[in-house]
Amino acid sequence: NAGVTQTPKFRILKIGQSMTLQCAQDMNHNYMYWYRQDPGMGLKLIYYSVGAGITDKGEVPNGYNVSRSTTEDFPLRLELAAPSQTSVYFCASRDRLMETQYFGPGTRLLVL
Amino acid sequence: TQLLEQSPQFLSIQEGENLTVYCNSSSVFSSLQWYRQEPGEGPVLLVTVVTGGEVKKLKRLTFQFGDARKDSSLHITAAQPGDTGLYLCAGGGRGSTLGRLYFGRGTQLTVWP
Repeated sequence: NAGVTQTPKFRILKIGQSMTLQCAQDMNHNYMYWYRQDPGMGLKLIYYSVGAGITDKGEVPNGYNVSRSTTEDFPLRLELAAPSQTSVYFCASRDRLMETQYFGPGTRLLVL
Repeated sequence: TQLLEQSPQFLSIQEGENLTVYCNSSSVFSSLQWYRQEPGEGPVLLVTVVTGGEVKKLKRLTFQFGDARKDSSLHITAAQPGDTGLYLCAGGGRGSTLGRLYFGRGTQLTVWP
């Protein structure tokens, strides 16, 4: 049982490039989330999903897109990367009936 | 705007000291969670409190949920270097948005031997 996995662990992008951050969970959780964490700013919700085929915007969705074609996977797409997207990105999941969120180890993204 | 305000933002103490971290909001939450995050890792849940006035103890950590369910505190007795980390509070169940948590900015705790 791997829990929540994220790839890659670290990535450097040039301005204007695109990439997909991968997130997978093997706990059969319905709810999945993408956060970004900037120094001293806590966690900000980017997008979330309550089940396959259902996604919704969080606090800071601009510049990102998501899809949820399966229960297990919730990739985050960055189009036209900007320096403001330099951050640590965390994926999390939870069971529909429980409030505990389980976090992945994070992806560190640097946009230069 | 930050729904949950944590204080202090930074805390540096010696081993053996006691400390309290606060989490305050003007909004009511159905639950309040505390997470701890170590460098290079994702947050890990410490406790969830759901009832106003509730107090939970985990070894040297004591968590309290305010009577009005707007604030919470985390008290650590006899802090140890292993307690070092970022402590995040998160409120859940606000409004009709299913499953969302609203995080505070965190308290960075450093315990020196």
